[in-house]
Amino acid sequence: QSVLTQPPSVSAAPGQKVTISCSETSSNIGDIYVSWYQHLPGTAPKLLIYDNDKRPSGIPDRFSGSKSGTSPTLAITGLQTGDEADYYCGTWDTSLSPGRWVFGGGTKVTVL
Amino acid sequence: QVQLVQSGAEVKKPGASVKVSCKASGYTFSGYYIHWVRQAPGQGLEWLGWIDPSSGVTNYAQNFQDRVIMTGDTSIRTAYMELGSLRSADTAFYYCARDWYSGTSDMFDFWGQGTLVTVSS
Repeated sequence: QSVLTQPPSVSAAPGQKVTISCSETSSNIGDIYVSWYQHLPGTAPKLLIYDNDKRPSGIPDRFSGSKSGTSPTLAITGLQTGDEADYYCGTWDTSLSPGRWVFGGGTKVTVL
Repeated sequence: QVQLVQSGAEVKKPGASVKVSCKASGYTFSGYYIHWVRQAPGQGLEWLGWIDPSSGVTNYAQNFQDRVIMTGDTSIRTAYMELGSLRSADTAFYYCARDWYSGTSDMFDFWGQGTLVTVSS
């Protein structure tokens, strides 16, 4: 089964950069495609990145996704106070039948 | 524009059931799966399952298989999630989300605003 592991928290000063990793622990490491979501509790999550590195229209290019080795990563550059939120990676786990959707545990971004 | 509008907050007693609705607009409702996701206080996002509104086929997360029912009514473009045998641990915001397949992978591109379900005696 696929499990996605994220760091619980990251922080940086305004204008700086943070990165959030999403480590996947299954035999399908090479095939993983994740999407990333920004979430303020009690509000609708927002899709930031899909297919590891694609941005939907309207998402600023300060948000970028990549896959370094086996770990998808979200980067936020030019950090702003409005970026304080929880960030989740997610993917469709096909190692079981039928498949299931899995989220990482979430990472809280704090702007110092 | 695509919108998913959910029903209002609910307060239920332990052992009861709750039914949350998700009304879609701005796209072909039957063309996209609807997923349900929840977030309990202090916890992360948790997937409950999906429904294909065009066929009624569902796929539930193992943790909820015995007490969740997802349905859809294409005539009024609305999906429903009913959760039974409620306990305090089910207190959470419940979200519906549209599944979009890019050609490479799935993602949730539009979300409902969330419905707070509180389970309390």
